[in-house]
Amino acid sequence: DSGVTQTPKHLITATGQRVTLRCSPRSGDLSVYWYQQSLDQGLQFLIQYYNGEERAKGNILERFSAQQFPDLHSELNLSSLELGDSALYFCASSLGLAGGRGTGELFFGEGSRLTVL
Amino acid sequence: DQQVKQNSPSLSVQEGRISILNCDYTNSMFDYFLWYKKYPAEGPTFLISISSIKDKNEDGRFTVFLNKSAKHLSLHIVPSQPGDSAVYFCAASARNFGNEKLTFGTGTRLTIIP
Repeated sequence: DSGVTQTPKHLITATGQRVTLRCSPRSGDLSVYWYQQSLDQGLQFLIQYYNGEERAKGNILERFSAQQFPDLHSELNLSSLELGDSALYFCASSLGLAGGRGTGELFFGEGSRLTVL
Repeated sequence: DQQVKQNSPSLSVQEGRISILNCDYTNSMFDYFLWYKKYPAEGPTFLISISSIKDKNEDGRFTVFLNKSAKHLSLHIVPSQPGDSAVYFCAASARNFGNEKLTFGTGTRLTIIP
């Protein structure tokens, strides 16, 4: 158990809809990262928050948005969903800015599997 | 543009033998490299890392080698055990350049044959 909690674990929805994925980081971790894993693809970085502020942005579509709340949990909002958005969405957390100074380790949740029909 | 590449989607190794997983990168700013292991229905878990100031890091059965001139790293597992069967992701970051995010490869599925 990494200590990172993601909900829901599975989600099935239709094209054009909007969903929200939730992430609670490990206790004490200030950084939250969102990654997308599509079929046979690696983990694609979407966005990073540190202590409530956006820190880095990756290949995140304009239809997607995220935020980190004062209690440090984060939400990833996906709107106008398309078939190609079907993927596993992972949240990860680390203590500090540099992906966990020391080993550089991120701690991952179990992921939210989104299926768009 | 895939900055971290794992060209072997899968690898099968006999139990007790050495497993060698390879990873190539293109971004010269990467200075920290990690390997993650992923079982089905679980998130990736950290395995081992190496800084660009080293060329080898060892942790038990796992050793990571870094060849900066070739922009290549490899993970050696010896001896391989059935529990090592998983997908292995190589990842890199440019920590000293203020970029904390990890860039991942596409993964190699390792199967250990009993």
